[in-house]
Amino acid sequence: AQSVTQPDARVTVSEGASLQLRCKYSYFGTPYLFWYVQYPRQGLQLLLKYYPGDPVVQGVNGFEAEFSKSNSSFHLRKASVHWSDWAVYFCAVSLRGGRALIFGTGTTVSVSP
Amino acid sequence: DPKIIQKPKYLVAVTGSEKILICEQYLGHNAMYWYRQSAKKPLEFMFSYSYQKLMDNQTASSRFQPQSSKKNHLDLQITALKPDDSATYFCASSQDGLSNERLFFGHGTKLSVL
Repeated sequence: AQSVTQPDARVTVSEGASLQLRCKYSYFGTPYLFWYVQYPRQGLQLLLKYYPGDPVVQGVNGFEAEFSKSNSSFHLRKASVHWSDWAVYFCAVSLRGGRALIFGTGTTVSVSP
Repeated sequence: DPKIIQKPKYLVAVTGSEKILICEQYLGHNAMYWYRQSAKKPLEFMFSYSYQKLMDNQTASSRFQPQSSKKNHLDLQITALKPDDSATYFCASSQDGLSNERLFFGHGTKLSVL
C-alpha cells in the first residue's frame, strides 16, 4: 500500500539557518507529491506540489523541494529560516486516478532566535 | 476571509451522543473531503465527495456519515460518540476531485468526547 514517511518528528533550527525536512514515499510508479504547512490553530496550506518533470520544485515563502525517483524521496528545504516558519510540515502523496491525499505524520519545526 | 467555514470551532460531547460537524465552502469547488487529525494518528483521510456523490470512504465505522445537502456543503454526522473519536476534524475542498489538485482546508472542528 502507498505510504509516506517523515522520519523526523521535530526539528529545531536557528533563525537564518538552512532547513531540510525529509520525506520518503512508497509507491510503484511516480505519484503526485505535495508539501503542506499547518500554522498554529489553522488548517493546512499548500507549500508546493510536484508533477513529473523538473525534479526541483519551487514553492511559496522561499521553500523548494527535490524529487528523487531512485531514493523515493521528496525532501523540502529552505535556505534561510524565519521565525514565522515555526509550524508543522506535512508531506503528502496522491495516486494517479485516486482521490485521497495520504499524509505523513508531520515534522514540527521550531525556530530559535 | 476564510473560504471554507467549519462550525463549530470547538465541540464537547458526552459518550454515546450524536453530533453534526458543519462545513461550507465558498470557492466554487466541486469536490469536498473530510480528514481527521488526532494525537494518535497522522492526518487521516475519511471521505471524498465529488459533485455531491460519495467517491471514497476510508472510514471503517458506519457511525460516521457525511451529508451533502448542497454542492458547497459537506456535513459530518457522528453517532454513538466514543472518547476515541476525540480529534480535530478538517474539511477540505478542491476544484474537481482530481488527484493532482491542491486541497484547501478549513480551520477544523476540535471535538472532545468525555
